[in-house]
Amino acid sequence: SQQGEEDPQALSIQEGENATMNCSYKTSINNLQWYRQNSGRGLVHLILIRSNEREKHSGRLRVTLDTSKKSSSLLITASRAADTASYFCAVQAGGSYIPTFGRGTSLIVHP
Amino acid sequence: EAGVAQSPRYKIIEKRQSVAFWCNPISGHATLYWYQQILGQGPKLLIQFQNNGVVDDSQLPKDRFSAERLKGVDSTLKIQPAKLEDSAVYLCASSLRGTLYNEQFFGPGTRLTVL
Repeated sequence: SQQGEEDPQALSIQEGENATMNCSYKTSINNLQWYRQNSGRGLVHLILIRSNEREKHSGRLRVTLDTSKKSSSLLITASRAADTASYFCAVQAGGSYIPTFGRGTSLIVHP
Repeated sequence: EAGVAQSPRYKIIEKRQSVAFWCNPISGHATLYWYQQILGQGPKLLIQFQNNGVVDDSQLPKDRFSAERLKGVDSTLKIQPAKLEDSAVYLCASSLRGTLYNEQFFGPGTRLTVL
């Protein structure tokens, strides 16, 4: 089934730095979503970007979508220790309303 | 607004035993989902309900897993008998409608360990 694949698998940075993680997929999509998961708050929806959109912002988060390359990126600016979590992309493709998740990127932000 | 509630939070059982998980979605959310998340992987959908009807259960191992959503509100997911490979976190999520662009809200999950 269609699912996104995140890259890198793991990322370790210092507080204040920017973090970029990528998601690639194989077929045409309706939309792509980014989620964050940590032990404290479970799985939380961050941003949804539709197939006809190229960029969206939410606070310190910036998501881009390049449908020609079948890829998306999530940028977290001025990272904080509290951003430490796993980040997943999930794609909705074809006639399915179900987002299919990748394996995630594990982000560690050192204070 | 109260979030998605799940119980228990943790469960340890031996293989071949049975186990049940409970989920209470956000009030007014018509769509309810159960996901299985194995360590190191992303969540995998097991079943989707729209009100009290099943929309998608194509990835539910029906020989051992069952789920119901009576009265279109709470839901239970049961495993009988459990296998070692069922060790995972079971996540419940709900959304206002099960359509495109609808945000899913996830519960804290139930961590199942099968010994």
